Amino acid sequence: KAGVTQTPRYLIKTRGQQVTLSCSPISGHRSVSWYQQTPGQGLQFLFEYFSETQRNKGNFPGRFSGRQFSNSRSEMNVSTLELGDSALYLCASSLPGTGTGNTIYFGEGSWLTVV
Amino acid sequence: DQQVKQNSPSLSVQEGRISILNCDYTNSMFDYFLWYKKYPAEGPTFLISISSIKDKNEDGRFTVFLNKSAKHLSLHIVPSQPGDSAVYFCAASASGTYKYIFGTGTRLKVLA
Repeated sequence: KAGVTQTPRYLIKTRGQQVTLSCSPISGHRSVSWYQQTPGQGLQFLFEYFSETQRNKGNFPGRFSGRQFSNSRSEMNVSTLELGDSALYLCASSLPGTGTGNTIYFGEGSWLTVV
Repeated sequence: DQQVKQNSPSLSVQEGRISILNCDYTNSMFDYFLWYKKYPAEGPTFLISISSIKDKNEDGRFTVFLNKSAKHLSLHIVPSQPGDSAVYFCAASASGTYKYIFGTGTRLKVLA
């Protein structure tokens, strides 16, 4: 069974540009969540989607957005990039559930460098 | 406000001995906990979970203990192997929030 797939794996962008990251969940998983990991920090929750609906959003500015498609694939977008957005962006998927007791499985991540 | 804390940034253990990684939390609403292992340049790999209705869960060399009154959980790895050298994260979630709060990680080094 294929795991969570994230593309691209590595990318370099310039301040002020925007970026779109893509995530394909494990087959059958309908919940997709996104996390940001910066050097020295733990993973910070960005948002979670289930059946194309955002169910929760973390403490990030509005420049960070996401969406989920009917096939459960998800994208996140960061507009007007800042140097501080340089991070590893991780996508995770889980089986449908009530929001508790669901183990989330991560992809390899997308490394974003903003210069 | 750090709701999930891993107070030991690093830990070194001899091969074959027990590794104990600790995690403390402050939110009494957390009812599901996960442990992950992470190698550099890779995504976190799920290790083991525990629900708040249990106080112990075991999976091979990995055992997680939960002390709800102390708001503390620990991951035991026995016996430790050099391949266990990685950063370990604990994560906690509360029902209906659809998100996990992660600790900042503990770097485990298993010495051969």
